[in-house]
Amino acid sequence: DAGVTQSPTHLIKTRGQQVTLRCSPKSGHDTVSWYQQALGQGPQFIFQYYEEEERQRGNFPDRFSGHQFPNYSSELNVNALLLGDSALYLCASSLGGQGAYGYTFGSGTRLTVV
Amino acid sequence: TQLLEQSPQFLSIQEGENLTVYCNSSSVFSSLQWYRQEPGEGPVLLVTVVTGGEVKKLKRLTFQFGDARKDSSLHITAAQPGDTGLYLCAASGGSNYKLTFGKGTLLTVNP
Repeated sequence: DAGVTQSPTHLIKTRGQQVTLRCSPKSGHDTVSWYQQALGQGPQFIFQYYEEEERQRGNFPDRFSGHQFPNYSSELNVNALLLGDSALYLCASSLGGQGAYGYTFGSGTRLTVV
Repeated sequence: TQLLEQSPQFLSIQEGENLTVYCNSSSVFSSLQWYRQEPGEGPVLLVTVVTGGEVKKLKRLTFQFGDARKDSSLHITAAQPGDTGLYLCAASGGSNYKLTFGKGTLLTVNP
C-alpha cells in the first residue's frame, strides 16, 4: 500500500520563476494538506484541499496556490519565487479534514531558490 | 494563534540513558500528535492523544497528555542510536483543520 508520493524530490529554481509541486495521497485518503518546513523549524501550514476546494489557508501570500484533482491528488504552485521560499515542502494526507488520528506525510520536495 | 513550545531544543545523550521531551501551550487542544522526522524525510506519526490525562506507550516510548489538554510529554527509556531524529509535537483544535507544529527537539543518541 503506497503512502504519500511527492514529486520531484529536489528542485532548483531561479528567483522570479514559477514552480509546481505534486502530491498523490495515501490510498483511501481524500484530504491533502501542504506544509512548508524551513531549516531548523517545524512545518508551517500552507493550505488544505478537500473535495477539490481549498478549505483552509495559513498565513501565506497569494503567490502560493493549489489544486486538487478528482482522484484526490494535488498540486502546489508558487509564483514569483523569492530566496525565502527555499524550504522542504511537505504534503500530508488524511481521511477527513481534521486528521484527528494523524496525518501521513510524504518525504517532501526540497526547493532551492537561487 | 496557537503556539506550541517544545523543550529542550537540542538533546545529545549516550545510548542507554532516559530522556523526556516537553510540549507546552497556553491553548487547549482537541488532539495532540507526536511525530519523528529523520533528515530528508517527512514526519512519521508516533501517537495521537485526545483525552486529558491519557498515557500511551509505544515500546520504550511513553506519551502523556496533560489533564487540561494544554501540554504533553514524551519519555524514552534506554535510548538507542535508532531513536535519533527530530521529535515534533503538533496539535489541532476546534474547527481548525490545520496542524500547528512546535519547532521540535533534535535528539542525538550516541553509541
